[in-house]
Amino acid sequence: QQQVKQSPQSLIVQKGGISIINCAYENTAFDYFPWYQQFPGKGPALLIAIRPDVSEKKEGRFTISFNKSAKQFSLHIMDSQPGDSATYFCAARAYSGGYQKVTFGTGTKLQVIP
Amino acid sequence: NAGVTQTPKFRILKIGQSMTLQCTQDMNHNYMYWYRQDPGMGLKLIYYSVGAGITDKGEVPNGYNVSRSTTEDFPLRLELAAPSQTSVYFCASTERGYQDTQYFGPGTRLTVL
Repeated sequence: QQQVKQSPQSLIVQKGGISIINCAYENTAFDYFPWYQQFPGKGPALLIAIRPDVSEKKEGRFTISFNKSAKQFSLHIMDSQPGDSATYFCAARAYSGGYQKVTFGTGTKLQVIP
Repeated sequence: NAGVTQTPKFRILKIGQSMTLQCTQDMNHNYMYWYRQDPGMGLKLIYYSVGAGITDKGEVPNGYNVSRSTTEDFPLRLELAAPSQTSVYFCASTERGYQDTQYFGPGTRLTVL
């Protein structure tokens, strides 16, 4: 029940196109849904995050869409650029026994081609 | 602030050897975590700590040990290294709060031969 399922595993998008990465979860105790961006040889870094009481959050070219009833959320990258090429992880956080635990998806490797 | 620092960046171990992966954060964060990242598997939580002197197991703790004697440091100990422990290890820290951000270190790439 702690799983977060992420798809696709890899994605190739042309420059200027829209990149879409999807995630689904089962545990209704999750209360915070961050997306992390990871460049090769680096640690993941927070990109954007959403709470379940909001259906959409936009920051620049990055948008999270959240469907609470379907237990799904997605990351949209508008006007994708070669510099966006990275691995993206969705995640979900729950509090258990007084501490927070974050469950990560398996990652999507995005390649934006010129 | 340096954020979260990890040493070493790379290490090759022989089967049965031991080593300690170091992690230090200078943000005075309460929570610290150790993850391992295997190709196509995302990040798996090994151990976490909610403060100095308090640690607990995550999803994949077998073969590892941790300690937290100070707020800043959270070393991960591998005893009797095995090839299955070949992975990239990330340390992270979080300040307690509702919309906490996990800050990750740059990782340690470990190969056990």
